[in-house]
Amino acid sequence: GESVGLHLPTLSVQEGDNSIINCAYSNSASDYFIWYKQESGKGPQFIIDIRSNMDKRQGQRVTVLLNKTVKHLSLQIAATQPGDSAVYFCADNQGAQKLVFGQGTRLTINP
Amino acid sequence: EAGVTQSPTHLIKTRGQQATLRCSPISGHTSVYWYQQALGLGLQFLLWYDEGEERNRGNFPPRFSGRQFPNYSSELNVNALELEDSALYLCASSLPPRAPRFFGPGTRLTVL
Repeated sequence: GESVGLHLPTLSVQEGDNSIINCAYSNSASDYFIWYKQESGKGPQFIIDIRSNMDKRQGQRVTVLLNKTVKHLSLQIAATQPGDSAVYFCADNQGAQKLVFGQGTRLTINP
Repeated sequence: EAGVTQSPTHLIKTRGQQATLRCSPISGHTSVYWYQQALGLGLQFLLWYDEGEERNRGNFPPRFSGRQFPNYSSELNVNALELEDSALYLCASSLPPRAPRFFGPGTRLTVL
């Protein structure tokens, strides 16, 4: 079946550096993607979304890039802070409100 | 404004038993979604309810079922529990056609 995957299961960065989390998807018909952050013991929290008619969208300290040619999207976090430590998921809305999630990338911030 | 709430926080059952999990959506949201998050795995779509009706279903056996009440709260029922049903069950809500953005803290189900 269709899947959404992540390139790395873990990512470790220095506090203050920029973080880039990658995600690949396989459904070429996908037209809407969401990034979520999940902290330990909590449910996923919406970060930012992007539709397929865009290739870039910016939020507060976050940017999502979408490359439809290679079916890849990335989440960039600027000036990473300790509070950014979490597992990050990309999700692909495959219609009828069904989100397909990737396996997640655990982001660790080193002081 | 209260977020999505779920109860209980933890639930321990034995194989063959039934489990009932509850979810209250954000006020004004008519859709409720259920996801299973097994250890080490991503979230797997279970069910979508909107306006009291089941609208979509993931690849789970029929022993996973639920309902949505007139106040838009929802129950997830898991019958004939198996060990592999042990997971965090997450509920989300939205106002269609928006996809779910807000998740509850989850119910940790342990099947012994």
